[in-house]
Amino acid sequence: KNQVEQSPQSLIILEGKNCTLQCNYTVSPFSNLRWYKQDTGRGPVSLTIMTFSENTKSNGRYTATLDADTKQSSLHITASQLSDSASYICVVTDPNFGNEKLTFGTGTRLTIIP
Amino acid sequence: DTEVTQTPKHLVMGMTNKKSLKCEQHMGHRAMYWYKQKAKKPPELMFVYSYEKLSINESVPSRFSPECPNSSLLNLHLHALQPEDSALYLCASSLSAGAPYEQYFGPGTRLTVT
Repeated sequence: KNQVEQSPQSLIILEGKNCTLQCNYTVSPFSNLRWYKQDTGRGPVSLTIMTFSENTKSNGRYTATLDADTKQSSLHITASQLSDSASYICVVTDPNFGNEKLTFGTGTRLTIIP
Repeated sequence: DTEVTQTPKHLVMGMTNKKSLKCEQHMGHRAMYWYKQKAKKPPELMFVYSYEKLSINESVPSRFSPECPNSSLLNLHLHALQPEDSALYLCASSLSAGAPYEQYFGPGTRLTVT
């Protein structure tokens, strides 16, 4: 069983609308949680990185939240744009290997339609 | 410069061929990584180099042979691959492997084994 589960698997929304992606993890303890954006056939690009003591982190129209007690994180995208169409991956650092080993979530495929 | 470059972008090889993938970064990072990613799946860690020494090998078959000639360069030598090895191969780097530093990913090499 994957230690980082994301929902929904896929999401289609209209341009300009907001959306929220969810991430539940069982990796414990952990050093930090990251959200990456990955365009098809490209490498992941970091959006946010949070330590276990942080509750929220913003990067432009992207806002990530973290609840270390319930082991949940969310990524909120405001005023979506066509260029937001991509896979969004939640990643938790494996504490046994420091930053070397990342536990990747299953990803959410987001499609923005005009 | 926060870029990780990978060459070639695309590679088609036969099962008897020998080829190499190349990854380069000039950010002064001392940890470099190889990942394999199949379609619609999260990246899977293959190898980690820390200060030019192999620190993690995720039980990767010997037909994949990594090499780190210097702190800026990472190679992946391929020999006698199977069709199931067809995937996107991602390289990443981070300032250090022992702390929660950001991993920067390259654009990937799309490998097809025929």
